[in-house]
Amino acid sequence: AQSVAQPEDQVNVAEGNPLTVKCTYSVSGNPYLFWYVQYPNRGLQFLLKYITGDNLVKGSYGFEAEFNKSQTSFHLKKPSALVSDSALYFCAVRVLNNNDMRFGAGTRLTVKP
Amino acid sequence: DAGVIQSPRHEVTEMGQEVTLRCKPISGHNSLFWYRQTMMRGLELLIYFNNNVPIDDSGMPEDRFSAKMPNASFSTLKIQPSEPRDSAVYFCASSWDREGEKLFFGSGTQLSVL
Repeated sequence: AQSVAQPEDQVNVAEGNPLTVKCTYSVSGNPYLFWYVQYPNRGLQFLLKYITGDNLVKGSYGFEAEFNKSQTSFHLKKPSALVSDSALYFCAVRVLNNNDMRFGAGTRLTVKP
Repeated sequence: DAGVIQSPRHEVTEMGQEVTLRCKPISGHNSLFWYRQTMMRGLELLIYFNNNVPIDDSGMPEDRFSAKMPNASFSTLKIQPSEPRDSAVYFCASSWDREGEKLFFGSGTQLSVL
């Protein structure tokens, strides 16, 4: 069965510093990997996805993620964090021929001024 | 397009009552998903439909939960009878049925069962 794991419940960074939110995946086929962000009392918003090709994927709001097949990871990164980036971040996986999407437990990112 | 529309936005009910949550997917999308979000269990997939047909309902907690999609523009999630442990935020999402397509989420229904 396909799944993703987010090993950190919480990540704290100072504004202006780089941030990383970790995600590892476990699938039996080629994965389609996604990052979503959730602000308080809102639905999930799409940030970026990896389908194939370049391992570095760029997305919304200056976020990017690196697909690493050997480490089965898809970490979310941003070179310089903003206080407004504080939110709940979810990694998700979808597999060829299996239409459902499975989410990780979420990581709460807090960016302090 | 207005996006995925869910109603009601908030629902407060008493234990034992029937609850119906509603979802209107984005026009043209042929896959629809129901998720439940709680602090303890995170985001759980309850059921998803392709072309109005339920494909996988293995995430539905028990027989008290049922979901229907009578047409391409409407779906319901019903809980009967409701229990306090059903209190959660329920999200509906839709997408095209193509490889690697992203999901578009509604704003959710905050359900409180007293």
